[in-house]
Amino acid sequence: EAAVTQSPRSKVAVTGGKVTLSCHQTNNHDYMYWYRQDTGHGLRLIHYSYVADSTEKGDIPDGYKASRPSQENFSLILELASLSQTAVYFCASNSGTNERLFFGHGTKLSVL
Amino acid sequence: QQKVQQSPESLIVPEGGMASLNCTSSDRNVDYFWWYRQHSGKSPKMLMSIFSNGEKEEGRFTVHLNKASLHTSLHIRDSQPSDSALYLCAAPMNYNQGKLIFGQGTKLSIKP
Repeated sequence: EAAVTQSPRSKVAVTGGKVTLSCHQTNNHDYMYWYRQDTGHGLRLIHYSYVADSTEKGDIPDGYKASRPSQENFSLILELASLSQTAVYFCASNSGTNERLFFGHGTKLSVL
Repeated sequence: QQKVQQSPESLIVPEGGMASLNCTSSDRNVDYFWWYRQHSGKSPKMLMSIFSNGEKEEGRFTVHLNKASLHTSLHIRDSQPSDSALYLCAAPMNYNQGKLIFGQGTKLSIKP
């Protein structure tokens, strides 16, 4: 099964601080995604990427940046963390259109 | 903006019973759906996909798709306590088949 690894597993950040969430996949997938999940709810797409060195905005990009330095790595950056960004963040990848998503285990972010 | 609506929000089914979950897209161009299952504290995992009108069965799980009404449903027969989870429906975004829009989920609880 496809392997998607996220780090850290959990993080506590202070309001106004910078947070970087990392994602690494080893399955040669071209497509990578960052989703946000608030307790008990569905997933909302923040940023995604189809190729290295290029990222696209999802449905809720405000307050987030993304970076795809290589096919394997995709980072989500919160330049100025806010309380409203407390959530679980999932990275996912797939091999293209109409293909299933493989998710990482998630990063629980608490902004205080 | 395209939406994926799931119902009910939560469902309690006795062990051995039938669970029925529903999902509808607001985008008339959607012609396939995914179902993902997420156990508490875990990442979502693909359960079933359906690309053609009609019915698809895999073990205790059956998915129906009606493209004309943009509606899909998931049915679980002989429900087990291990089926207790958040069930997420997803559909491709308008004109961008690589992006998935998720519904808010149905929380299914199986009572022993």
